[in-house]
Amino acid sequence: KNEVEQSPQNLTAQEGEFITINCSYSVGISALHWLQQHPGGGIVSLFMLSSGKKKHGRLIATINIQEKHSSLHITASHPRDSAVYICAVRSSRDDKIIFGKGTRLHILP
Amino acid sequence: ETGVTQTPRHLVMGMTNKKSLKCEQHLGHNAMYWYKQSAKKPLELMFVYSLEERVENNSVPSRFSPECPNSSHLFLHLHTLQPEDSALYLCASSRGEDRDNEQFFGPGTRLTVL
Repeated sequence: KNEVEQSPQNLTAQEGEFITINCSYSVGISALHWLQQHPGGGIVSLFMLSSGKKKHGRLIATINIQEKHSSLHITASHPRDSAVYICAVRSSRDDKIIFGKGTRLHILP
Repeated sequence: ETGVTQTPRHLVMGMTNKKSLKCEQHLGHNAMYWYKQSAKKPLELMFVYSLEERVENNSVPSRFSPECPNSSHLFLHLHTLQPEDSALYLCASSRGEDRDNEQFFGPGTRLTVL
């Protein structure tokens, strides 16, 4: 079992829908990152969280440290949001970064 | 455009070939990273360089040999690779080696080993 699990693995939705991607982890962490990988490979860092909630445009990320869970929400989704979203945590035990397998999101026009 | 470039973007090589991947960053960062992304597997951090010194090597086989001649350039030298080494190799850079500093990724080199 991976130390970082994401769900769903794949998600297809219509333009305009509210999207939620989940990340659960089993290790103690000092920070959690959400990354976006577009077709072709380029990766962009979206958020770094250690508590609470962050918002950037239509993207919202939340984290619950007690429940070891984070969610990434996209409001008013658009086809250009189609990408793989990757959750990564920094282990507080050994400082290593552990990546989830990613969630592939496809927004239909 | 993230300010991190990688060449080549695609590479096909035989198991006996020697090739090199190149990464260049124009952001004034002093930490650089090599990642491997295989199909259906999470990203794997391979190497970390800070101020041109290797600070992390995550049990990577010796057929992968990194080189960081200066803070703007990072190479990954490849020799006698195996087909299972076929993957997307991503380079990233950050302002420092603190793992929570935002990393800026290059577009990747898609490597196929025949």
